[in-house]
Amino acid sequence: SQTIHQWPATLVQPVGSPLSLECTVEGTSNPNLYWYRQAAGRGLQLLFYSVGIGQISSEVPQNLSASRPQDRQFILSSKKLLLSDSGFYLCAWTGPDSYEQYFGPGTRLTVT
Amino acid sequence: AQSVTQLGSHVSVSEGALVLLRCNYSSSVPPYLFWYVQYPNQGLQLLLKYTSAATLVKGINGFEAEFKKSETSFHLTKPSAHMSDAAEYFCAVSGAGAGSYQLTFGKGTKLSVIP
Repeated sequence: SQTIHQWPATLVQPVGSPLSLECTVEGTSNPNLYWYRQAAGRGLQLLFYSVGIGQISSEVPQNLSASRPQDRQFILSSKKLLLSDSGFYLCAWTGPDSYEQYFGPGTRLTVT
Repeated sequence: AQSVTQLGSHVSVSEGALVLLRCNYSSSVPPYLFWYVQYPNQGLQLLLKYTSAATLVKGINGFEAEFKKSETSFHLTKPSAHMSDAAEYFCAVSGAGAGSYQLTFGKGTKLSVIP
């Protein structure tokens, strides 16, 4: 069966520090991968999606970036965090030809 | 362009009462529709999905939803609420971004269950 992992589960970082969040999927090949952010009281905001290794599409211009170095690995990064980057970050995957998204457990990021 | 409207950001029901969470969608193509549930500090879990087969879809935990094309609706129901149903629920529609299999999510409805 397929599983999706995210780490760390929680993170507290000062403003201006770098960020790296990791997402990995097991039990499937060639998934589509997604990064979302949930800010308090606001729905899900799609940040990035990827349909293959090295293929990243950005939905919202900001100081975040994403990379997909391996088929089942998706990384969210920032060089310098802002207070507004605080939120709950969710990774999701679908099969190559499917809309059905499966979500990871999330990472709670607090920027202080 | 696709969009989803969830009526009511907060819904309260008594334990044992009917749960009705409303979702209306807009789509330029035949949609796939989904309901997800999120418990505090957890990821989203798929409750049920409509993929152009039966219009009445049954999901996990006793939930079901009916696709009504004429009303562009996909409301979520459960005959009898349980305390464990307290969570946030998201409706989503397919079709955004050709080739990317993106979903467009509603803003969510927080369900409270009163004992």
